[in-house]
Amino acid sequence: AQTVTQSQPEMSVQEAETVTLSCTYDTSESNYYLFWYKQPPSRQMILVIRQEAYKQQNATENRFSVNFQKAAKSFSLKISDSQLGDTAMYFCAFMMIYNNNDMRFGAGTRLTVKP
Amino acid sequence: DAGVTQSPTHLIKTRGQHVTLRCSPISGHKSVSWYQQVLGQGPQFIFQYYEKEERGRGNFPDRFSARQFPNYSSELNVNALLLGDSALYLCASSRRAEEKLFFGSGTQLSVL
Repeated sequence: AQTVTQSQPEMSVQEAETVTLSCTYDTSESNYYLFWYKQPPSRQMILVIRQEAYKQQNATENRFSVNFQKAAKSFSLKISDSQLGDTAMYFCAFMMIYNNNDMRFGAGTRLTVKP
Repeated sequence: DAGVTQSPTHLIKTRGQHVTLRCSPISGHKSVSWYQQVLGQGPQFIFQYYEKEERGRGNFPDRFSARQFPNYSSELNVNALLLGDSALYLCASSRRAEEKLFFGSGTQLSVL
C-alpha cells in the first residue's frame, strides 16, 4: 500500500525568507505522480506543484520548487520569498499513473508566515 | 469560467439519516472524484466517476454510493449516517481520468 508521511505538523517562517516542507512516501511502483497541495482557510485544495516520477528534473513553479529524490522516496517543497498569503495547510500527495485519481495524502503541515 | 461547485456548503444531520451531496464540475471536465477529509487529516479517496461510469472506489463501506449524470455533475449519497461520517467532503474534476485535479471548496457535514 502507498503511504505518505509529513513529519512536520507545524512550521513557521518570516516573510521574505525561505522554508522547506518535508514529505516521504512508500511505494513499490516506479511510475507515479507526486503533488503538493495548499489548503487555505477557504478549504479549497489548490495545486501548488506536480512531479512525474519518470522525470529527473525537479519541478518548479515561480517561488515553489521541489527536491525529488526517487531512491530515497523523498519529495520536499521549498517556498522562496515567503508571503503572508502562503499561510495555509500544505499536503503532500501520491498517485499511481492510471489509478483512477486515487490520490493518497499525507496528514499535512500547517505553515504560518509571520510579518 | 466557474470552478468546481459543491452544494450545500454546510449540513447538519443526525445519526441514522441519509444525506446527498452535489457537485458540478468545471465545464468540459468529464471526470469527478470524491474525497473525505476528517478534521486534522488529509483527504481520503472515496470514488471516481468518468463518463458516467464508476472507475475507482476507495476503502469505504457500502453506505457510501455515488453517481454521475449525463451533464457530468455528480451526487454522493451516504446512508445510515454515523458520528464518524462528520467530515469535509471534497469534489474534484478533471478533463480525463488521470489529469490534473481541480477541487471545490467542499461540503462540511456534521452528524449529531
